[in-house]
Amino acid sequence: DIQMTQSPSTLSASVGDRVTITCRASQDISSWLAWYQQKPGKAPNLLIYKASSLESGVPSRFSGSGSGTEFTLTISSLQPDDFASYYCQQYNSPLVTFGPGTKVDIK
Amino acid sequence: QVQLVQSGAEVKKPGASVKVSCKASGYTFTGYYIHWVRQAPGQGLEWMGRINPDSGDTNFAQKFQGRVTLTRDTSITTAYMDLTRLRSDDTAVYYCARDSLTGTTVYWGQGTLVTVSS
Repeated sequence: DIQMTQSPSTLSASVGDRVTITCRASQDISSWLAWYQQKPGKAPNLLIYKASSLESGVPSRFSGSGSGTEFTLTISSLQPDDFASYYCQQYNSPLVTFGPGTKVDIK
Repeated sequence: QVQLVQSGAEVKKPGASVKVSCKASGYTFTGYYIHWVRQAPGQGLEWMGRINPDSGDTNFAQKFQGRVTLTRDTSITTAYMDLTRLRSDDTAVYYCARDSLTGTTVYWGQGTLVTVSS
């Protein structure tokens, strides 16, 4: 199975901050990378697919980049609703793997 | 609208089995893979496997090979996840999720809490 790592595991930030989360794959996954946001007690919510495509309805302050083995999720200006956990997911078929997650909390 | 509605919470003893259902509606059931993902308390997301509802073909994470069975009943547009030989570390919320045309999971069920305790 392809292994995914994320950094940092926890990130303390303030409203208005620019935030970047990094995800790395153990082998080349081209652009088959998605990012999810999850809040406590809720199912994950898709933010970005195919590394850089914004899912419909997701605010434009979220963006993704990268290809191959290294990817980033950027929140351009952190909003109160953005304090949550974020997971990357590779879907270089047929198997799927999630990263361990990054918790974004209030500084 | 696409909906995935899962069965209710379960409490099981170690060594037992559990079967979680995922009732799909609002789309052509056989057109998209159904994935199963679990999340232990306070932990991250863990992909377990997926089923092609049209063919019944399945793929599993290596960790779950031999212990998880994924099935579907197309007549009632429902997918099932059967986990055997339960251990305490199988205590988790289990989610079903549907593929999309983008290739990844967009629609998610509400989750089913499975508690394994003696």
